[in-house]
Amino acid sequence: DIQMTQSPSTLSASVGDRVTITCRARQSISSWLAWYQQKPGKAPKLLIYKASSLQSGVPSRFSGSASGTEFTLTISSLQPDDFATYYCQQYNIYPWTFGLGTKVEIK
Amino acid sequence: QVQLVQSGAEVKKPGASVKVSCKASGYTFTSYDFNWVRQATGQGLEWMGWMNPNSGNTGYAQKFQGRVTMTRNTSISTAYMELSSLRSEDTAVYYCARRNKQPNLPGDYWGQGTLVTVSS
Repeated sequence: DIQMTQSPSTLSASVGDRVTITCRARQSISSWLAWYQQKPGKAPKLLIYKASSLQSGVPSRFSGSASGTEFTLTISSLQPDDFATYYCQQYNIYPWTFGLGTKVEIK
Repeated sequence: QVQLVQSGAEVKKPGASVKVSCKASGYTFTSYDFNWVRQATGQGLEWMGWMNPNSGNTGYAQKFQGRVTMTRNTSISTAYMELSSLRSEDTAVYYCARRNKQPNLPGDYWGQGTLVTVSS
């Protein structure tokens, strides 16, 4: 199975901050990496697919990038609605695997 | 609009089986694969497997091989995930998610989740 190492596990930030979350794949997954946002009691919501493509309806303050096996989710200016847990997922090879998540908390 | 509506919460005893349904609407049911993902309380997401509702073909994570069965009923646009030989560690919220292949993305629509509690 492809291990996805996500960091940090927790992040404290303020409204307006630029936030970066990183996910590293143990082997090549090409660009088949997705990012999700999850709020308590809710299903995950797709933000980014194919490493850098913004899902329809997702605000443009969210962006994704890739460099080899390292992937980054950036929130350019954190908004109150963005406090949540974020997960990366590789969907290049079965079994699909997720990172352990990053909880973005209010500072 | 696309919707995936899952069946309600279940309480099962260890050793029993549970079957969770996921009813799709707002699109052609047979055109998109389903994936099932679960999440134990306070834990991360765990992918369980996929099903092609057109062919019925499936693929399961090795961890669940022999215990999970994914099926569908195309006449009512519903996908199912059955997990057998339940143990306490299977207590989790189970989600169905639609996979889109054009563009290629893993889960653009998700069900609301079904809580399965395994307890004696």
